[in-house]
Amino acid sequence: GEKVEQHESTLSVREGDSAVINCTYTDTASSYFPWYKQEAGKSLHFVIDIRSNVDRKQSQRLIVLLDKKAKRFSLHITATQPEDSAIYFCAASRSAGNKLTFGIGTRVLVRP
Amino acid sequence: EAAVTQSPRNKVAVTGGKVTLSCNQTNNHNNMYWYRQDTGHGLRLIHYSYGAGSTEKGDIPDGYKASRPSQENFSLILELATPSQTSVYFCASGDGANTGQLYFGEGSKLTVL
Repeated sequence: GEKVEQHESTLSVREGDSAVINCTYTDTASSYFPWYKQEAGKSLHFVIDIRSNVDRKQSQRLIVLLDKKAKRFSLHITATQPEDSAIYFCAASRSAGNKLTFGIGTRVLVRP
Repeated sequence: EAAVTQSPRNKVAVTGGKVTLSCNQTNNHNNMYWYRQDTGHGLRLIHYSYGAGSTEKGDIPDGYKASRPSQENFSLILELATPSQTSVYFCASGDGANTGQLYFGEGSKLTVL
């Protein structure tokens, strides 16, 4: 089955800098790649996704890049703010609506 | 706003006991999922369902059963709880291929002594 590896377990960045989280996947049939955010003591909520028909997607300060050849995708949080501090999970599935396989999460700390 | 409600939010059980975790969604989503979250493992899929009356095994189904009696409700059942099942369990619902987004409940913290 699919395996998703999330390469950074923790990231500490200065407020205003960018944070980058990298993930790789194993299943060449995967085509849907969402990201979820979990704030301390809370549940997860969706932040952004990308499908395999594009290689870049932006939503406000979040940018997702997809490299299908390398089976790699990444989340870029630009101009970080204190409220960006959280655990971020990448995930992959064969299509939107299919079961998701998650990475282990990256804890992002934005320091003043 | 999509709503997924889990109960109980906290549970302490004894080894060998039966535990039922319940999940209710008011989103009218066909898809529902049970994940567990453990440090170092992220979220792992236990069981999922694509509609009332159906359940499918996820990646780590051993020791768990699931039941989907209606569109709104999806239960996770531990017939004989073990300490290794101590974890935080998340239920989620999804609208399938429409958006692909999952909506998560608040989590159920289970401790098996």
